Amino acid sequence: DGGITQSPKYLFRKEGQNVTLSCEQNLNHDAMYWYRQDPGQGLRLIYYSQIVNDFQKGDIAEGYSVSREKKESFPLTVTSAQKNPTAFYLCASSIAASRGDSPLHFGNGTRLTVT
Amino acid sequence: AQRVTQPEKLLSVFKGAPVELKCNYSYSGSPELFWYVQYSRQRLQLLLRHISRESIKGFTADLNKGETSFHLKKPFAQEEDSAMYYCALGRGGADGLTFGKGTHLIIQP
Repeated sequence: DGGITQSPKYLFRKEGQNVTLSCEQNLNHDAMYWYRQDPGQGLRLIYYSQIVNDFQKGDIAEGYSVSREKKESFPLTVTSAQKNPTAFYLCASSIAASRGDSPLHFGNGTRLTVT
Repeated sequence: AQRVTQPEKLLSVFKGAPVELKCNYSYSGSPELFWYVQYSRQRLQLLLRHISRESIKGFTADLNKGETSFHLKKPFAQEEDSAMYYCALGRGGADGLTFGKGTHLIIQP
């Protein structure tokens, strides 16, 4: 079954700890994205990567870090510097880095709770 | 800066009634507009995009550059249309989409 897999579905961490969310895709897509979804806020872009070994900050990158060592993987680390990390995190990918009309394919999301 | 506004947080209509979900955007370049939908317990998925000019599940949306709008319409709502709908703006590259805050559509029987 091709698609985007995010794991785990639920994640609990203590304040002050870094935590890494996994995102893997087998769609052979060039571009990958991380969004944060909060009630009443819609989706906000954290980081994106158009090609392996390259990534750019989105609108709310502070307190987050990413890597793109492989085409199929785009893990997101929520660091202790993120002031309000409890949220629902969505990973997405799109087929062509050069085309803005390529639709995004989303994973099922990871709900992170930090206490 | 680009912005997408969905003025209605919640829209409730009766089955069989027309539906219109509003979306306005702000962008100085040539926009690419999308509607995404999230049904209960399903992942967010593309509903339609303006370049395709297609009708999906009875929904249509026309890009009005003069009014900077991309409203989603359906003439006769069905109960299975109940979902969260997001309007999104692309900027011509693969640098991500800007999403509105979403409209929760509830179709009452």
